[in-house]
Amino acid sequence: NAGVMQNPRHLVRRRGQEARLRCSPMKGHSHVYWYRQLPEEGLKFMVYLQKENIIDESGMPKERFSAEFPKEGPSILRIQQVVRGDSAAYFCASSPRLNEQFFGPGTRLTVL
Amino acid sequence: RKEVEQDPGPFNVPEGATVAFNCTYSNSASQSFFWYRQDCRKEPKLLMSVYSSGNEDGRFTAQLNRASQYISLLIRDSKLSDSATYLCVVNMGGGSARQLTFGSGTQLTVLP
Repeated sequence: NAGVMQNPRHLVRRRGQEARLRCSPMKGHSHVYWYRQLPEEGLKFMVYLQKENIIDESGMPKERFSAEFPKEGPSILRIQQVVRGDSAAYFCASSPRLNEQFFGPGTRLTVL
Repeated sequence: RKEVEQDPGPFNVPEGATVAFNCTYSNSASQSFFWYRQDCRKEPKLLMSVYSSGNEDGRFTAQLNRASQYISLLIRDSKLSDSATYLCVVNMGGGSARQLTFGSGTQLTVLP
């Protein structure tokens, strides 16, 4: 059973560009979460999705950030008009109905 | 006050030593508790869930004190491979009741 998959693993963008991060949950998991880890800081919750629904986006910045989990395909975290402060590791996690969340390898975003 | 607070360390211990990590959380309504470990520039990996009665998994023992809002992790007979950052993680039950709140982590280095 493959784990949570994320791509790309590393992404470099210039200020003002768009970043798209993808996450495929573990097989059989219908709950997806996105977390952000800024340099030298702990992980911070961003958003929780189920298929075609955003359940909790209380941790998402109000502007430029959006997330989706379509019926088919991976979950996407989209950051428009990136700024240097968006540079971070973005981790996706998935879970079945139970509480335990399993994390993907992360996407390291660098904004130049 | 941070929602989940941990001693950042670092803890440097010799192989074979016993080491204990502590964690406090602010929300008395918190529902579930975990220890994750995170290796440098890798994703967090679930080490163990923490149950009210305390639980043990091999060399690792986790305890929870709801009255004091305190969680601990004990590692016996430390191995070099235990070197990592240990993350105290709490589901505080707010919002969707699915988001995890992470401590900043305690860094452990086991020395030969």
